[in-house]
Amino acid sequence: EPEVTQTPSHQVTQMGQEVILRCVPISNHLYFYWYRQILGQKVEFLVSFYNNEISEKSEIFDDQFSVERPDGSNFTLKIRSTKLEDSAMYFCASSDGGTGVEKLFFGSGTQLSVL
Amino acid sequence: GESVGLHLPTLSVQEGDNSIINCAYSNSASDYFIWYKQESGKGPQFIIDIRSNMDKRQGQRVTVLLNKTVKHLSLQIAATQPGDSAVYFCAEKDYGGSQGNLIFGKGTKLSVKP
Repeated sequence: EPEVTQTPSHQVTQMGQEVILRCVPISNHLYFYWYRQILGQKVEFLVSFYNNEISEKSEIFDDQFSVERPDGSNFTLKIRSTKLEDSAMYFCASSDGGTGVEKLFFGSGTQLSVL
Repeated sequence: GESVGLHLPTLSVQEGDNSIINCAYSNSASDYFIWYKQESGKGPQFIIDIRSNMDKRQGQRVTVLLNKTVKHLSLQIAATQPGDSAVYFCAEKDYGGSQGNLIFGKGTKLSVKP
């Protein structure tokens, strides 16, 4: 069964450093997303991406965040200058462009720890 | 130390029994709902979805019921198995909102006793 894959599974970084979280969405999907989950809290929407541009972003997705689809398979989330409160599990998701456009498939996540 | 974050409701059932997990949503404009299962250390896994023009949908061993009058959603799992132990989230999408921008509930932890 096709799946969304994320790397790395764990990332530890120092406050102020830049991190890039990587995702390979399901190959025939057209819509891509990043969500995050702070420990013990709800899964929160960050950003959606379609046709090489951001479709929507939440208030969390401020100027320190950016997304990119550098090639035909990868989808990345960059956090430019990490803060302690960025520590969370970051999930990538994708969906297809047909009637299942809202049916999101999630990866296993990258656990980001900012020290 | 002080505990921070949400305290998840917990449902404990015996293996083989049926489970019912409930969810209340607040936005009457929501037109699409999904149940996700999240096992420890993993991402949310799609279980079943339902649109607002339906009140019931069945899958394999799972049934979702939607009551728009009281804005209530439930997930029924038949013959619950130890592998069903996980946190279950309902999620909703606002009508007219950007697709893929799902609003997740706080989750219910299901524990299945063998």
